[in-house]
Amino acid sequence: AQSVAQPEDQVNVAEGNPLTVKCTYSVSGNPYLFWYVQYPNRGLQFLLKYITGDNLVKGSYGFEAEFNKSQTSFHLKKPSALVSDSALYFCAVRDMNSGNTPLVFGKGTRLSVIA
Amino acid sequence: DAGVIQSPRHEVTEMGQEVTLRCKPISGHNSLFWYRQTMMRGLELLIYFNNNVPIDDSGMPEDRFSAKMPNASFSTLKIQPSEPRDSAVYFCASSPASGVESPLHFGNGTRLTVT
Repeated sequence: AQSVAQPEDQVNVAEGNPLTVKCTYSVSGNPYLFWYVQYPNRGLQFLLKYITGDNLVKGSYGFEAEFNKSQTSFHLKKPSALVSDSALYFCAVRDMNSGNTPLVFGKGTRLSVIA
Repeated sequence: DAGVIQSPRHEVTEMGQEVTLRCKPISGHNSLFWYRQTMMRGLELLIYFNNNVPIDDSGMPEDRFSAKMPNASFSTLKIQPSEPRDSAVYFCASSPASGVESPLHFGNGTRLTVT
């Protein structure tokens, strides 16, 4: 079975400070990992993904995420937060060997960047 | 690329009425997913299709819910009869069938309010 945990419902950070949104996963095989962002009254938008290769993945809007296999984590990071980064962030996983089955999403973490 | 198109954006109806939500996936995408989002339960997968065929509808909450995909460019989610607890934002998403590495593309959702 596949699962994703986002341990924080809410993350608050001051503008200009680094931000981290945490995600841990569980799959029986190797994972495909994704981060999505949701702005108010919009659908989820793809930010970045880890498939294979370099553990540090760079994505849209200056975000990056680090795949850590030993800790089964895929935390989302940004060196300097912007107020416009305030949104709901979702981590998602799919087992590489599961075929084109649906992604399993975490419950989401609300990021609030304070000016 | 117009993205995934959902209609209507907002729907307000009275309990007992039939509601039909519509989705046009991205051209060339062979997989289509219906999700429901609420504050209490987060993002829930209701049903998904591959090549217009329903693959897994175990997430459909009750027999009041039904979904169809008559062709590759159109899908509907119907609730009959609707109840206040069905109030939520309903999202449609699509992806290439062969793209296990591919992210989902979400529409902007239909906000359903049942009074």
